[in-house]
Amino acid sequence: EQLVESGGGVVQSGTSLRLSCRTSDSAFYGYAFHWVRQAPGKGLVWLATISDDGDAKFYATAAKGRFRISRDDSTSTLSLQMSGLRPDDSGVYYCARGLAGDPPDPYTMWGQGTMVSVFS
Amino acid sequence: SYVLTQPPSVSVAPGQTATITCGGNNIVAKSVHWHQQKPGQAPVVVVYNDIDRPSGIPERFSGSNSGSAATLTISGVEAGDEADYYCQVWHGGADHEGVFGGGTKLTVL
Repeated sequence: EQLVESGGGVVQSGTSLRLSCRTSDSAFYGYAFHWVRQAPGKGLVWLATISDDGDAKFYATAAKGRFRISRDDSTSTLSLQMSGLRPDDSGVYYCARGLAGDPPDPYTMWGQGTMVSVFS
Repeated sequence: SYVLTQPPSVSVAPGQTATITCGGNNIVAKSVHWHQQKPGQAPVVVVYNDIDRPSGIPERFSGSNSGSAATLTISGVEAGDEADYYCQVWHGGADHEGVFGGGTKLTVL
C-alpha cells in the first residue's frame, strides 16, 4: 500500500493547480484523508481534511476560500484544487491517510509528496 | 487556533536517551502523534495516540502524555535517528483543525 501524489509543477502567481493522490481501493475506501504542506526548509503545516464519507471537509485559514479538497471513491483518488496561488504557497504537498470517524487521525500513511513552485 | 510548542533542537550522544517535548493547552486531553522526517524524505509516524507504536518502529521509541506536555523518548539513540520530529494533534470542537508542532531537529553527536 502506498499513496502517490501527482500534479505539482512550476506555475505563475494567480493561477490554479490540481493535485491528486492515488492509492489502491482497499487503502482508500473508508478512510479520512489530509493534505499537508512543507515550505522549503520549514515545518509541516496542515491544510485540509476530508472525512471518510466525503461529507465533512475542514480547512486551515491559509486554504479557506482558495483550496478545495475532494475525493472520488470510484477511482480511489484524493484531490486538492488550488486557485489564486501565491509564492508563499510554494512547497512540497503531502497527502496522508487518516482514520474513519472523529477525530480523523492518526495519520496511518504518508505519500512521497509533490512539489509546487509559484513565481510572481 | 490551537498551538503546539516544541524545542527547536535537541542534541544527544549515541547510546543516550533523547527527550522531545510538545506543549499545548490541556494537551493531556488530546491524542498526540509523533512523526519522524529524515532529510529529503516523507514523514513517518513513529508514535500515535500518545503511546502506541506502528509495526516496524523500534521499541526504543516511546511516548507519553501527562501534565503539561507530551513527550517522545528515544532510548539508545543511534545515528540513524537523526531527523526532524513533529508532534501533531487533531483539535476538534468549533475549530476542527489539524495542528503540527514546529518540529524538533534531533542531532546525534
